[in-house]
Amino acid sequence: EAQVTQNPRYLITVTGKKLTVTCSQNMNHEYMSWYRQDPGLGLRQIYYSMNVEVTDKGDVPEGYKVSRKEKRNFPLILESPSPNQTSLYFCASSLYPLYEQYFGPGTRLTVT
Amino acid sequence: GEDVEQSLFLSVREGDSSVINCTYTDSSSTYLYWYKQEPGAGLQLLTYIFSNMDMKQDQRLTVLLNKKDKHLSLRIADTQTGDSAIYFCAESHGSSNTGKLIFGQGTTLQVKP
Repeated sequence: EAQVTQNPRYLITVTGKKLTVTCSQNMNHEYMSWYRQDPGLGLRQIYYSMNVEVTDKGDVPEGYKVSRKEKRNFPLILESPSPNQTSLYFCASSLYPLYEQYFGPGTRLTVT
Repeated sequence: GEDVEQSLFLSVREGDSSVINCTYTDSSSTYLYWYKQEPGAGLQLLTYIFSNMDMKQDQRLTVLLNKKDKHLSLRIADTQTGDSAIYFCAESHGSSNTGKLIFGQGTTLQVKP
């Protein structure tokens, strides 16, 4: 089944403790992206990747890192999480940038 | 700048038609999308329309695009309780080629039996 998977689905952590949210797609898509969803703000793009080893900032990249060492994986790294990064995070992928984007199920992160 | 606006809430009775509206500011938008988000789930693409189209129909869904007014609407015919969800309007930019989607705040559709 074609899908985008994210892990973990739920995470509660403390300020400053490094964490990684994994994202994997099995559709051989070149384009992958991370969004965060906050009430009243819709979804905002954090980082995106056009292909392996090609990543760039979205609208809200501060406090986040990404890597794209393999085509299928696009992990989101929070080196020192802060409470304002409490949010619902979505990974998405598409064959090419303007093609239909497939979304993962989301990761709900709480930073205390 | 880029901005997409939606009303936050819509309540309809089962069997009625629902119309969810969206306005956007960027006239260079290439594609406009409607996504559905059910509780606890990710976003599911419902339909999309190219900016050179005025209307697209797909079963119970009708998308209307008014480029002059930068207004997009999604009509759901014969709305069912299973249509209760948050609906997001989004636009993408062909010129920027970043693949970034600009989302509205989402409209919560409540369908009463």
